[in-house]
Amino acid sequence: ETGVTQTPRHLVMGMTNKKSLKCEQHLGHNAMYWYKQSAKKPLELMFVYNFKEQTENNSVPSRFSPECPNSSHLFLHLHTLQPEDSALYLCASSQVGENGYTFGSGTRLTVV
Amino acid sequence: GENVEQHPSTLSVQEGDSAVIKCTYSDSASNYFPWYKQELGKRPQLIIDIRSNVGEKKDQRIAVTLNKTAKHFSLHITETQPEDSAVYFCAARGGGNKLTFGTGTQLKVEL
Repeated sequence: ETGVTQTPRHLVMGMTNKKSLKCEQHLGHNAMYWYKQSAKKPLELMFVYNFKEQTENNSVPSRFSPECPNSSHLFLHLHTLQPEDSALYLCASSQVGENGYTFGSGTRLTVV
Repeated sequence: GENVEQHPSTLSVQEGDSAVIKCTYSDSASNYFPWYKQELGKRPQLIIDIRSNVGEKKDQRIAVTLNKTAKHFSLHITETQPEDSAVYFCAARGGGNKLTFGTGTQLKVEL
């Protein structure tokens, strides 16, 4: 493990379901991020949280709803998703203004 | 905002040869440039990084160079091995805290 843990590792959900992705970091970082990685596409930044406050929403559809209750935990609530939302969702953390990100192993999401 | 371009998108080399991946960035305020390696089905992992006050950095078979004037930086892998096969991403951090990633390079090292 890298210090950033994501659960579940795999998720299959129907378009009418509601599910949540969880990310937890044990590195003492104060910034957390959600990225979407689709096949043969670059990493797409979705949300940024600095010190628990959302500082960036990269035009993400409202069917994705993030939550950051504290600096160590980050959630991504999903509802009424579309098949094109199937992708690998990566969480990352960092120290604000320092160094690079540490990524979690991701959640492989399939929407059917 | 920052824009990072990465080339080539795919790169095939023979084992033992060198591989070079190039990136350009747009924000002259960018000051930190990491490189990530992502093996199939795994998470991106930081392999080397460079700050804007340094022109070159080496770590064994991996090196990164930075040209601030031209706003481009490159990853150099020497004596490539099959385990180097992966997707490599460059990134740049501008005035804010977030990293902007390149589109990735699929490196294949052939025996």
